[in-house]
Amino acid sequence: EVQLVESGGALIQPGGSLRLSCAASGLIVSQRDMTWVRQAPGKGLEWVSLIQSGGKIDYADSVKGRFTSARDYIRNTLYLQMNSLRDEDTAVYYCTSASPDSGWGQFYWGQGSLVTVSS
Amino acid sequence: EIILTQSPPTVSLSPGERATLSCRATQPVGSSSLAWYQQRPGHAPRLLIYGASSRPTGIPDRFTGSGSGTDFTLTISRLEPEDFGVYYCQYHGWSSYTFGQGTKVEIK
Repeated sequence: EVQLVESGGALIQPGGSLRLSCAASGLIVSQRDMTWVRQAPGKGLEWVSLIQSGGKIDYADSVKGRFTSARDYIRNTLYLQMNSLRDEDTAVYYCTSASPDSGWGQFYWGQGSLVTVSS
Repeated sequence: EIILTQSPPTVSLSPGERATLSCRATQPVGSSSLAWYQQRPGHAPRLLIYGASSRPTGIPDRFTGSGSGTDFTLTISRLEPEDFGVYYCQYHGWSSYTFGQGTKVEIK
């Protein structure tokens, strides 16, 4: 059974930094395209970052230059390093992955980790 | 940059009725690049449709995806009580994933 478990969310002041983790079981993070998706309170879904199995990483314009995705092969964990945080980064952050029979559709989702940016 | 526009923003229906949700792209997209998700309050999204018309394992056949080019549709043939929530379409480009703004399906 595949599980994605996010952690690291917290209340942080504007301008601060935070690192989210997504611990995976039942899949190997280095062998899948994985994404970060966020959802601000009462708002829709926003794609944040894509890390492809081959290592290519892309970011939404709203976080480019401030957020960095990475993966740890030994811990089988995905990370999202968030710097220079702004009020508008307040959201639940999900990590996601496709399944072998879902094309690139994101079949697996974590439970989400809440990041609140506020002074 | 491709933008997805979903309509209507909200639809009010009764259990047993048919729901038709639209997702329109600003440029033609490959059918393999279009997915639909359902999100119930307090839950993570759930993949309903990938490749515009394919259902993952475990998704009921009352959910049907169709369309091509710039116009895509999600049809729920007979609404069940657990189907009420927000539905999103998503496009996968070469280096990005884009969501539509969502359609809320509420109980009439």
